[in-house]
Amino acid sequence: DVKVTQSSRYLVKRTGEKVFLECVQDMDHENMFWYRQDPGLGLRLIYFSYDVKMKEKGDIPEGYSVSREKKERFSLILESASTNQTSMYLCASSGTGGLNQPQHFGDGTRLSIL
Amino acid sequence: AQSVTQPDIHITVSEGASLELRCNYSYGATPYLFWYVQSPGQGLQLLLKYFSGDTLVQGIKGFEAEFKRSQSSFNLRKPSVHWSDAAEYFCAVGAGGSQGNLIFGKGTKLSVKP
Repeated sequence: DVKVTQSSRYLVKRTGEKVFLECVQDMDHENMFWYRQDPGLGLRLIYFSYDVKMKEKGDIPEGYSVSREKKERFSLILESASTNQTSMYLCASSGTGGLNQPQHFGDGTRLSIL
Repeated sequence: AQSVTQPDIHITVSEGASLELRCNYSYGATPYLFWYVQSPGQGLQLLLKYFSGDTLVQGIKGFEAEFKRSQSSFNLRKPSVHWSDAAEYFCAVGAGGSQGNLIFGKGTKLSVKP
């Protein structure tokens, strides 16, 4: 079974801090994704990566950056956290094969910015 | 552009009753369709997927979904709901491209009455 592990389930940070959310997958997947989930808005794609050191903007990249130095790890970075970034963050991964490969999700990180 | 609509934000059913969750999609070609379930505080788990072939697909936990091209629908069904099925359900469609991006609906929250 695919295992996607997010480093923290709950995180509390202060406005202006630089925040790192870490995600690791154990299935040698090429593609990795970061979403945020807010009530009534569903999942919105922040960034994704299809290879090491490669990244693409999703629908809401503003205020975020990402890093993929190793295939198994995909980090989401909030450069200067703001209260409107309080949310649930979900990481996912998928293998090659494009659209017929389902995404596998971690358990999420609930981030609160005070 | 591709889109997914889940018309029902919240549904309540009695335990043992049948369930149907609606999903409508907009996509130019043959879609790749998925249903995911999210239990409280957890990530998303894949229930089932459709790519081609038989329009009735079976998934885990006793769920099934039927693809109807003429109605652009991919509704999720279960003949008898259990209290443990209370969760949020997301329909998704492949967004095109080779990276396996998905477009998610906003979700339907299912409550189960004893």
